[in-house]
Amino acid sequence: QVQLKESGPGLVQPSETLSLTCTVSGFSLTSYGVNWVRQPPGKGLEWMGTIWNDGSTDYNSALKSRLSISRDTSKSQVFLKMNSLQTEDTAIYLCARDGGSSWGFDYWGQGVMVTVSS
Amino acid sequence: DIQMTQSPASLSASLEEIVTITCQASQDIGNWLSWYQQKPGKSPQLLIYGATSLADGVPSRFSGSRSGTQYSLKISRLQVEDIGIYYCLQAYSAPFTFGSGTKLEIK
Repeated sequence: QVQLKESGPGLVQPSETLSLTCTVSGFSLTSYGVNWVRQPPGKGLEWMGTIWNDGSTDYNSALKSRLSISRDTSKSQVFLKMNSLQTEDTAIYLCARDGGSSWGFDYWGQGVMVTVSS
Repeated sequence: DIQMTQSPASLSASLEEIVTITCQASQDIGNWLSWYQQKPGKSPQLLIYGATSLADGVPSRFSGSRSGTQYSLKISRLQVEDIGIYYCLQAYSAPFTFGSGTKLEIK
């Protein structure tokens, strides 16, 4: 069955770089795109970016200068790197499969809470 | 960037009542609109894709519709398990944008 699981550090120092991994199973990264979405505590969902099945990427314009999404298809892993973290980057970070066409984000990981604090 | 204006921000309704949530897109997005339900402490779950298609396993009391650039999610007979926060998402063009969410409670 389709599964996605996020992993990474729970605590990051201000101005440091966040590195997260989304490990997928049940589908191939060369067939489906994967999105990163974040949710600050008590707030709404924010799309961060997508890595498409062909390896191309799209980013939220507000985060583009700090954000990088990449993948290792052999390991079924998608990576998020975001630099210059601030306290407002404290959030739950989620990865979600793009169902393709207009199919929406059809499968989601459980999310990982990242706190930016010294 | 395409803006998605979602309303209402919160909604309290009685069991078995009909509930409607709307999202207004700032420009044409075709049918590239999906709806999600998020229960407390859980990840969002896809309810509707392609503006009107029901996702697998979603009860038939949920439905989606479109009129121009206005999109609606309807719950035909509200159940206790429907409480949560609902979001729309446009994936017509990047940057993709979520609506601000609608918190649904039982009256």
